[in-house]
Amino acid sequence: AQSVTQPDIHITVSEGASLELRCNYSYGATPYLFWYVQSPGQGLQLLLKYFSGDTLVQGIKGFEAEFKRSQSSFNLRKPSVHWSDAAEYFCAVGATAAGNKLTFGGGTRVLVKP
Amino acid sequence: EAGVVQSPRYKIIEKKQPVAFWCNPISGHNTLYWYLQNLGQGPELLIRYENEEAVDDSQLPKDRFSAERLKGVDSTLKIQPAELGDSAVYLCASSLGGGLAGLNEQFFGPGTRLTVL
Repeated sequence: AQSVTQPDIHITVSEGASLELRCNYSYGATPYLFWYVQSPGQGLQLLLKYFSGDTLVQGIKGFEAEFKRSQSSFNLRKPSVHWSDAAEYFCAVGATAAGNKLTFGGGTRVLVKP
Repeated sequence: EAGVVQSPRYKIIEKKQPVAFWCNPISGHNTLYWYLQNLGQGPELLIRYENEEAVDDSQLPKDRFSAERLKGVDSTLKIQPAELGDSAVYLCASSLGGGLAGLNEQFFGPGTRLTVL
């Protein structure tokens, strides 16, 4: 069965500083990997996804993520955080062999200090 | 283009009462998902529809939960009777197709926050 671990429950970062959110997955074959963001009172919005090819993936809002097969990781990064990036971030893994099911991690809440 | 619409946004009920949530997906999206999101956790799939057919309901607690998508468009999720542990956010999502297209991007509604007293 597939699973996702996000080790950091909360992260506080200063506005303008860089941000990195960790994600580790468990799946026997090549996974499809996603990062979603959830702002208060809003639905989840897809930031980026990795299916194949270049392991460095660019997404919306200036985010990028890097797939590292050897570490079973898909960490999300942003070079300079804006106050509007305060939200909860979810990493997810999907697999067609698992009935196209998306399995989400527990999320990381990002707080941005002025 | 309108996104996924859910109603109500908030619902407070007493335990043992019934409750229903409604979802209208994005126009043209034939795949619809219901997720449960407990506080401080990621969403967990309850049921997935492709058109009118429930193709994955393995995680739906069928003793008290039911869902329907009669015309392959909007959907209703029902709990009867509700228990204290059902307090959570219920998310609806839709995608243009199942399979890899469904994994490609799911569009989520804002959710219904249920509180059972």
